[in-house]
Amino acid sequence: QKEVEQDPGPLSVPEGAIVSLNCTYSNSAFQYFMWYRQYSRKGPELLMYTYSSGNKEDGRFTAQVDKSSKYISLFIRDSQPSDSATYLCAMRGSTLGRLYFGRGTQLTVWP
Amino acid sequence: GAVVSQHPSRVICKSGTSVKIECRSLDFQATTMFWYRQFPKQSLMLMATSNEGSKATYEQGVEKDKFLINHASLTLSTLTVTSAHPEDSSFYICSARDSTRGGETQYFGPGTRLLVL
Repeated sequence: QKEVEQDPGPLSVPEGAIVSLNCTYSNSAFQYFMWYRQYSRKGPELLMYTYSSGNKEDGRFTAQVDKSSKYISLFIRDSQPSDSATYLCAMRGSTLGRLYFGRGTQLTVWP
Repeated sequence: GAVVSQHPSRVICKSGTSVKIECRSLDFQATTMFWYRQFPKQSLMLMATSNEGSKATYEQGVEKDKFLINHASLTLSTLTVTSAHPEDSSFYICSARDSTRGGETQYFGPGTRLLVL
């Protein structure tokens, strides 16, 4: 079983839709959770960073962590064509520990 | 946000040659840098962790003699793919941890696409 599972998609939605992206994980020691956005042929860009369980909101983006279910989500409201990218979840157990990545979900938002 | 650069962005080489990729943190000091490899539609696979002034720590299955890593300063780490073969063709991405901000966040470079003919 992989440490982090993420449905690769692809996911295609119309502009303005609410997008839900999810990851599950198996290691209960993970405490730090991140979402990265990666455009084609580019490096990942940090979108959201959360510690432990709970919600965090930043503009149109909301990250949720449910440690009891080992499940994390990223919601994108009022999605835009510029949101079209691959979204990678990542997590680690300690502040300076290595990151474990999901496969990434490819999202397309069409006008 | 912090900026990490990589050079070159793209390289094509013949089989058997060696290729060096540079990773620089432009506006912060990075005591730790990471090297990843990414195949199309796949996740990032950690190859090695590079600490300034010491030997790199390689992940299981990564040949240290093939993928030479040098982290000579707080702003520069290099990855050299020695005697490259077509199966080494991939997208190589580095990241750097900002040691002045508690080191919690990794900032990624734009990646280097390697094609070995």
